Amino acid sequence: KQEVTQIPAALSVPEGENLVLNCSFTDSAIYNLQWFRQDPGKGLTSLLLIQSSQREQTSGRLNASLDKSSGRSTLYIAASQPGDSATYLCAVTANAGGTSYGKLTFGQGTILTVHP
Amino acid sequence: KAGVTQTPRYLIKTRGQQVTLSCSPISGHRSVSWYQQTPGQGLQFLFEYFSETQRNKGNFPGRFSGRQFSNSRSEMNVSTLELGDSALYLCASTSGQGGNTIYFGEGSWLTVV
Repeated sequence: KQEVTQIPAALSVPEGENLVLNCSFTDSAIYNLQWFRQDPGKGLTSLLLIQSSQREQTSGRLNASLDKSSGRSTLYIAASQPGDSATYLCAVTANAGGTSYGKLTFGQGTILTVHP
Repeated sequence: KAGVTQTPRYLIKTRGQQVTLSCSPISGHRSVSWYQQTPGQGLQFLFEYFSETQRNKGNFPGRFSGRQFSNSRSEMNVSTLELGDSALYLCASTSGQGGNTIYFGEGSWLTVV
């Protein structure tokens, strides 16, 4: 059974700092890994999607890396801003012969607070 | 184009009642998944529908059921509500083929009293 763990559970940083969020998964047979952001009381917003054959993806100040063999992914946020405050979730899709694309296994999330 | 739409956004039900939640996916998406989010358990997968067929099912009791219509809209139903069913229920849609981003709706907040 796939298990996804995110470290740290919470992080508080001053504005402008670069930071790294960590995600690990127990079964390396994944199809892809996705990072999401969730604001309080809201749904999830997709940030980055990394296919299992890829090593990293970038979008603006965000960079996500994937090391499938070791079961790890990191989300790097450059020059953090107060607007980045949210819960960040990583989720994996199992590689199950094309029948699990809509089934995600989530970590518990990292609560990020960026203070001015 | 319009995102994933969930209705109702908020509802309060009494123990023992049943509830139906609705989800309209992004146009062209054939896969709809449902998730339950609680503070204690986090986000847990309920089920996925693709082209009107249930393709995957999570580890939830039979009180939780769903269906998908020919226009890809989906509903989930919870019968005989329990206090522990209080949660945010999230719907997500994707094309259903590999390599594509999954998009989530804003969710339906269910409170069981």
